Amino acid sequence: GAVVSQHPSWVICKSGTSVKIECRSLDFQATTMFWYRQFPKQSLMLMATSNEGSKATYEQGVEKDKFLINHASLTLSTLTVTSAHPEDSSFYICSATSGTGLDQPQHFGDGTRLSIL
Amino acid sequence: GNSVTQMEGPVTLSEEAFLTINCTYTATGYPSLFWYVQYPGEGLQLLLKATKADDKGSNKGFEATYRKETTSFHLEKGSVQVSDSAVYFCALRYSSASKIIFGSGTRLSIRP
Repeated sequence: GAVVSQHPSWVICKSGTSVKIECRSLDFQATTMFWYRQFPKQSLMLMATSNEGSKATYEQGVEKDKFLINHASLTLSTLTVTSAHPEDSSFYICSATSGTGLDQPQHFGDGTRLSIL
Repeated sequence: GNSVTQMEGPVTLSEEAFLTINCTYTATGYPSLFWYVQYPGEGLQLLLKATKADDKGSNKGFEATYRKETTSFHLEKGSVQVSDSAVYFCALRYSSASKIIFGSGTRLSIRP
């Protein structure tokens, strides 16, 4: 079945550094990718939607200069958390889809746990 | 607006017990409905889905029926196992290119 690979799975870094998370579709072309954020014991909140070759659409309240999203190819989207601070520590999950029909599923990556010290 | 409300957890059951996790939704039009499962430290896996009224989604012994009249999509399993311990999310979306709206999640723990 379709697989979405997310890398790294866990990252710990110092406050003030930038962290890049990759989301790859391994066996299909992902025309649309989504980035979610999940705080401990809470639900997933959509951060942004990205379509290949165009600028990402951010949800209300998400700082686009803080969370840079690039979807340069049909198999790769990246989320860069710039100048990360402890409050950015969270579980980030991407999903990807190859079509627009109702039956086209969204495939989720395994998530990236980001810890900012 | 569109939203999903599911029963709060945690839910703790003994092995082989019957499980129901309630989910209701508010939406305009006719969304597809989903249940996702998240095991500790992992991402989300699609458990089952239903795309129109009266459809029943099923997988791994779990079932849920799309009830338009009650705007519900309750998750059921006749006999739970320890391996079913996870967080379950009810969700809706309108198309594959649209965002998924998740419920708050229900943590399920099964005692041996």
